Amino acid sequence: EAGVAQSPRYKIIEKRQSVAFWCNPISGHATLYWYQQILGQGPKLLIQFQNNGVVDDSQLPKDRFSAERLKGVDSTLKIQPAKLEDSAVYLCASSSRTEPYEQYFGPGTRLTVT
Amino acid sequence: GQNIDQPTEMTATEGAIVQINCTYQTSGFNGLFWYQQHAGEAPTFLSYNVLDGLEEKGRFSSFLSRSKGYSYLLLKELQMKDSASYLCAVRDWDSNYQLIWGAGTKLIIKP
Repeated sequence: EAGVAQSPRYKIIEKRQSVAFWCNPISGHATLYWYQQILGQGPKLLIQFQNNGVVDDSQLPKDRFSAERLKGVDSTLKIQPAKLEDSAVYLCASSSRTEPYEQYFGPGTRLTVT
Repeated sequence: GQNIDQPTEMTATEGAIVQINCTYQTSGFNGLFWYQQHAGEAPTFLSYNVLDGLEEKGRFSSFLSRSKGYSYLLLKELQMKDSASYLCAVRDWDSNYQLIWGAGTKLIIKP
């Protein structure tokens, strides 16, 4: 089966600009996650969707970040306006339908804010 | 609170065995995962433990002791391609069954 798809792979923007990332999970996976990973750290969960509903967005900086998952399949994550500290890799993952519900990750988007 | 601890970096020799430790503190333990992450790539699932004991999968094994809040990943017959970061993550039912991630252990394999 096809893996988790993400685009773009790389993005360089200036601070205060906006950016959007796209994710297409593995077919049939109801749960989708967006993570932020800073170099040398583990992934930090930004938002978790179950179908098209939000399960947890407690760590999403809602003043600048937004995410949606229309129709319970594809998802987009947006940052507006970007700050220097947003430079990171943004990973999208989806969960297996069976125990142990392991997460499958996309290749990520490396964002550099200058 | 919730906390995952792993060594920052380890070095081992090709062909040898290495053990990467992980200690955790969570309020609602519901399983422990190990992921491998090569530089510049996404994490990939290696193993899962929910009961105490050893799970073996080829050259990789993972051990769990829930009473001690401790796990290790054992890599045998090390190959150069095993150079990567190894992330320990605990699923916590008290946090919507989310994964709580460690910072990862960077493993360097030398010839």
